[in-house]
Amino acid sequence: GQSLEQPSEVTAVEGAIVQINCTYQTSGFYGLSWYQQHDGGAPTFLSYNALDGLEETGRFSSFLSRSDSYGYLLLQELQMKDSASYFCAVRSSGTRAGTALIFGKGTTLSVSS
Amino acid sequence: DSGVTQTPKHLITATGQRVTLRCSPRSGDLSVYWYQQSLDQGLQFLIQYYNGEERAKGNILERFSAQQFPDLHSELNLSSLELGDSALYFCASSARGTSGPTDTQYFGPGTRLTVL
Repeated sequence: GQSLEQPSEVTAVEGAIVQINCTYQTSGFYGLSWYQQHDGGAPTFLSYNALDGLEETGRFSSFLSRSDSYGYLLLQELQMKDSASYFCAVRSSGTRAGTALIFGKGTTLSVSS
Repeated sequence: DSGVTQTPKHLITATGQRVTLRCSPRSGDLSVYWYQQSLDQGLQFLIQYYNGEERAKGNILERFSAQQFPDLHSELNLSSLELGDSALYFCASSARGTSGPTDTQYFGPGTRLTVL
């Protein structure tokens, strides 16, 4: 089957840097995605890594190591508005898998002043 | 605003009833996905449609069904509702939905279903 593990909670202060780790198990790999979800809101796409290495998008960066089945999301210069849940996700695999996403259980980030 | 619309925003109903949730994908997107989010199960994939045809099934109960119409909007039908079906139901769309790199999925605002 497919599974993703990520910490359930992370806390940090404004201006700090936080790293959210994700390890995954999947039989077919098409890249690792990250989504952000504010309380009660819709998940929104943050980043995607198909190949090893770092992808940077403003204050957010995402890293992937395919050999280690591991990735992380790095959030810099934290702001209060970054308080949200963050999900890593992989594409479903299998003969009739389509292109749906399998999500980790999410990491709740709390940023305090 | 993702461009994906869902109606209704909230739905309160009783056990045993049937409801229909509606989703309109972003303009030009061919794939529609339905996800269920509950506190204990997280975001669970239910079903995907691509250009009108069922593409993949996830953890969808037999009491649930969906379809995608020629104008690409989709409906999720939930019947014989149970208390445990109370959850947020999200629709997402993506441009493609076939093989290749992972498409970005754009999520609608969700429908909050409460079964009493």
